[in-house]
Amino acid sequence: GQNIDQPTEMTATEGAIVQINCTYQTSGFNGLFWYQQHAGEAPTFLSYNVLDGLEEKGRFSSFLSRSKGYSYLLLKELQMKDSASYLCAVIDSNYQLIWGAGTKLIIKP
Amino acid sequence: GAGVSQSPRYKVAKRGQDVALRCDPISGHVSLFWYQQALGQGPEFLTYFQNEAQLDKSGLPSDRFFAERPEGSVSTLKIQRTQQEDSAVYLCASSPRDRGTYNEQFFGPGTRLTVL
Repeated sequence: GQNIDQPTEMTATEGAIVQINCTYQTSGFNGLFWYQQHAGEAPTFLSYNVLDGLEEKGRFSSFLSRSKGYSYLLLKELQMKDSASYLCAVIDSNYQLIWGAGTKLIIKP
Repeated sequence: GAGVSQSPRYKVAKRGQDVALRCDPISGHVSLFWYQQALGQGPEFLTYFQNEAQLDKSGLPSDRFFAERPEGSVSTLKIQRTQQEDSAVYLCASSPRDRGTYNEQFFGPGTRLTVL
């Protein structure tokens, strides 16, 4: 079966750095997305990785290791508005997007 | 420009009732996806359209679920004889290209369906 694992919940302090991990086992791999979803709202795109390595975009960075089936999302200089769920999703061999359950990130002042 | 819109935002249905959920994708977007999202879970794929063609409906949970996109723009997801387990948020997403390796999906706000 296809499986994407993320921690259910994480807590961090405003101004700090947090790393959200994602491991996947899918039938094929054609890329990995990270989306942010505030409660009651639509998911919004954060990043896309298809090659190994780190992609940096402002305060957010995403890393991929295809051989390990592993990715992480790194959030720096945390702000209260970063409190949200962070969803990892993998494109499988049928170009279908397989989603993790999401990691709820709680930011404390 | 306008993003993806969905209506209604909230729908309460009695068990056994039929419902229709509408999605207006971003103009010109080729691909349209429907997902079901239970509370505290990630979206689960339901079906995919490339223009007006429904190319993948492998995620539809039963024959009570039906989707269409007759003119390649607006799409409707219909659920017949709703059951309590159908209660979820139904998300629609569109993207500018065919489903492929990189195709960022733009999501609508979702329709929260509650079946009593």
